Amino acid sequence: ETGVTQTPRHLVMGMTNKKSLKCEQHLGHNAMYWYKQSAKKPLELMFVYNFKEQTENNSVPSRFSPECPNSSHLFLHLHTLQPEDSALYLCASSQDAGTSGRLGYNEQFFGPGTRLTVL
Amino acid sequence: KNQVEQSPQSLIILEGKNCTLQCNYTVSPFSNLRWYKQDTGRGPVSLTIMTFSENTKSNGRYTATLDADTKQSSLHITASQLSDSASYICVVQGWGNQFYFGTGTSLTVIP
Repeated sequence: ETGVTQTPRHLVMGMTNKKSLKCEQHLGHNAMYWYKQSAKKPLELMFVYNFKEQTENNSVPSRFSPECPNSSHLFLHLHTLQPEDSALYLCASSQDAGTSGRLGYNEQFFGPGTRLTVL
Repeated sequence: KNQVEQSPQSLIILEGKNCTLQCNYTVSPFSNLRWYKQDTGRGPVSLTIMTFSENTKSNGRYTATLDADTKQSSLHITASQLSDSASYICVVQGWGNQFYFGTGTSLTVIP
């Protein structure tokens, strides 16, 4: 295991549901990431948190809402999703410099992902 | 436009054979290039990371090369094993927090 866990591993939800994805890292890292991986498409970086502060939001629709209560936990709250949001959602963490450093230079460790299906 | 292109899209090889995967990128400025291995149903695992000053880096049977002038990288797998069957993803980091991912090469090793 890489030290990054994600729950649930599989999730099926309707378009009117509200659900949350959870990520936890046990590596002592200070940066955490949410990625979306759709079939036949490159991974898409969604959100980045560095020292619990959100530093990136790559034009992600507001129906995705991240939360980072501490440097070990990251959530992705989902509401009123669309079928095209069905994908594998990956969480990653890394040990990076502070706000003055370049984020992401060090190795990123990925979780196993949550396979999301929106009906 | 910053892009990362990988080839081939898929590859089937016999166990014990060698293979080379390609990654071409147009990302500028360039910070580093990484190769990841992603098994089906699992998250990517880092194989190598190289900065512009590094030409080659090895990790066991995996050897990555980088030509920063031509903006090309390759991942060479020696003496392939069945467990090498996976998707191999090339990722280029630009300056700051910008990551550009390739679509991956799906490798299947058959006995």
